[in-house]
Amino acid sequence: DAGVTQTPRHEVAEKGQTIILKCEPVSGHNDLFWYRQTKIQGLELLSYFRSKSLMEDGGAFKDRFKAEMLNSSFSTLKIQPTEPKDSAVYLCASSLLGYEQYFGPGTRLTVL
Amino acid sequence: GEQVEQRPPHLSVREGDSAVITCTYTDPNSYYFFWYKQEPGASLQLLMKVFSSTEINEGQGFTVLLNKKDKRLSLNLTAAHPGDSAAYFCAVRRYNQGKLIFGQGTKLSIKP
Repeated sequence: DAGVTQTPRHEVAEKGQTIILKCEPVSGHNDLFWYRQTKIQGLELLSYFRSKSLMEDGGAFKDRFKAEMLNSSFSTLKIQPTEPKDSAVYLCASSLLGYEQYFGPGTRLTVL
Repeated sequence: GEQVEQRPPHLSVREGDSAVITCTYTDPNSYYFFWYKQEPGASLQLLMKVFSSTEINEGQGFTVLLNKKDKRLSLNLTAAHPGDSAAYFCAVRRYNQGKLIFGQGTKLSIKP
């Protein structure tokens, strides 16, 4: 079985740009999560979907961050407009009915 | 909401020694517990999952203890080896929720 896949692995953006990160969950998983990881803040939940329905949208991230599940096997995270403080690793994870989460390799975003 | 405190943030032990990482949580409804390992530059890898009905769980080279009375979860590595050098994260989940609450992480270094 393929694990969680994320593209791109690295992204460099200028301040003010729009970027879209992509995630494909493990086949058959119905929960999908987007996290941001930084050394200072650790792991922060951005969005959580169950069966394509948005269950939780991280309050602090609502302004410029928008996650969508276009279908059960594909999700995107749009950041618009980007700011230097958005530089971080963005992780996507999936699980089956809320059990253990499996993480993708992450996208390292650098905003100049 | 639920808070998870993980200690210590950094830990250095000699090869062959034991290492203990501890997490305390606040929500008495926490039911599922997880330990993840993150090697440098890599994503999070599930190390062990623990259900609240089991207080002791053993893996290869480590033991996870759950003390529900004190709301404390610990990861005990026995005979640490260089391959154990990584960041370790605990995570907890309520019975009826899909999202995980993560600890802040522990960076473990194994000295030769």
